[in-house]
Parts: sequence; structure tokens; C-alpha cells
Amino acid sequence: LAKTTQPISMDSYEGQEVNITCSHNNIATNDYITWYQQFPSQGPRFIIQGYKTKVTNEVASLFIPADRKSSTLSLPRVSLSDTAVYYCLVGDKPGGYNKLIFGAGTRLAVHP
Amino acid sequence: ETGVTQSPTHLIKTRGQQVTLRCSSQSGHNTVSWYQQALGQGPQFIFQYYREEENGRGNFPPRFSGLQFPNYSSELNVNALELDDSALYLCASSHPTGQGALDTQYFGPGTRLTVL
Repeated sequence: LAKTTQPISMDSYEGQEVNITCSHNNIATNDYITWYQQFPSQGPRFIIQGYKTKVTNEVASLFIPADRKSSTLSLPRVSLSDTAVYYCLVGDKPGGYNKLIFGAGTRLAVHP
Repeated sequence: ETGVTQSPTHLIKTRGQQVTLRCSSQSGHNTVSWYQQALGQGPQFIFQYYREEENGRGNFPPRFSGLQFPNYSSELNVNALELDDSALYLCASSHPTGQGALDTQYFGPGTRLTVL
């Protein structure tokens, strides 16, 4: 499973767009890129997943360049409630089972 | 549709004791995964159960064991507790899609275990 590298922490202000970049130089052909969000004292929550180019849903966008060695999670116009830890994960389903490998994540603090 | 639930919420044990944590999966999900999350770190995969059988295991010793029941609920058992076992234990359920993408895992709120 490919190792990921992301910033330890980021700060932003309400209403700004936040971009969190994740590096995964050893990503394999079959690997997907997935992002989870975790609030204090809660379990992680799925945000978005993609394989290549751009994926957008109601809460975020995921940008993946052609070489797939990095990806960027974009959160439009953040609010205080977006303060959380964001995890970038890369992997597939070896043998059909779905193991998630979490790193330390990026702690996003949104200020008023 | 109910989400993933875990019990108990908090638990305090002493070294050497045994503990059982419980998880009820989300309706329609037949796969349960367990994770250990130490303070300030990301969750670490313990093992996964699919249709009552262990389907994959992380780098945890045999004193970490589990069960999955016919209704897909699950238990995590830890024997001979050590101080380093103090952590948040998370359960996640999912339903295999059979596609290449990772199946979305739905996490419960966790059980906070403190070993003294």
C-alpha cells in the first residue's frame, strides 16, 4: 500500500477555500485515493474518493494530476465546523478486503 | 436506517485484565473492521470480518481477537491488557461493492479504553 505524506496542520479563516495536498509517490495502478474527516471524539467520516482527474461532490472536490503522485482536497468556503483532522488514504482491495491505512492526517483549524 | 453503534462508550481496566468491546453494524452491511486509535494518531487497522470470518488482519498480536455474529454485529476481545492498549477503539461497517474502488466505511463513535 502506498505511503502518503500530508501537512501536519493548516490554519484558515471562515469563508476561505482550503486546499490540502497529499503526496503518494508510490501509488500503484489499481490504487484509489480516498479522504476521510474526523472530529474530536468521533469516528472518521468518508468525504470523497477518486482515481484520476477531478471528482466533486456536495462537500468537496478532489483534484488528481495525470501522474497520480499527489492529490488535493479542496474545501470551498470553510466554516468553523470544518475544523477537524483530514486523512488522505491510498489503496485498493487486495484479496477483496478493504483495509484502510491511515497516516497522521492534517489538522485543519478554521478561525472566525 | 441506524448507523454504527458501539458499546460501552468508556471503559477502565487494569493491566492483565480482559475486555470485550461490541459493535452493531449499519443496516445492510455484512463487513466489520476494527481500528485502534492512540491519542494524536490516525486509526490503525486491527482486523476485518466478512460474513462471520476473519478476512484480513493488521499488525496486532493474537491477544487481539474478534467475532462476527449472524446478524453481522461484532466483538473485539483483548486479553492480557497492557498499558499501551489504552486508546479509542473504532468499529466500521461496509458493504462490499466488488468494484476496484475502496468500499466506504462507516465508523461508529468508538469506545475509549483506559488501562491502568
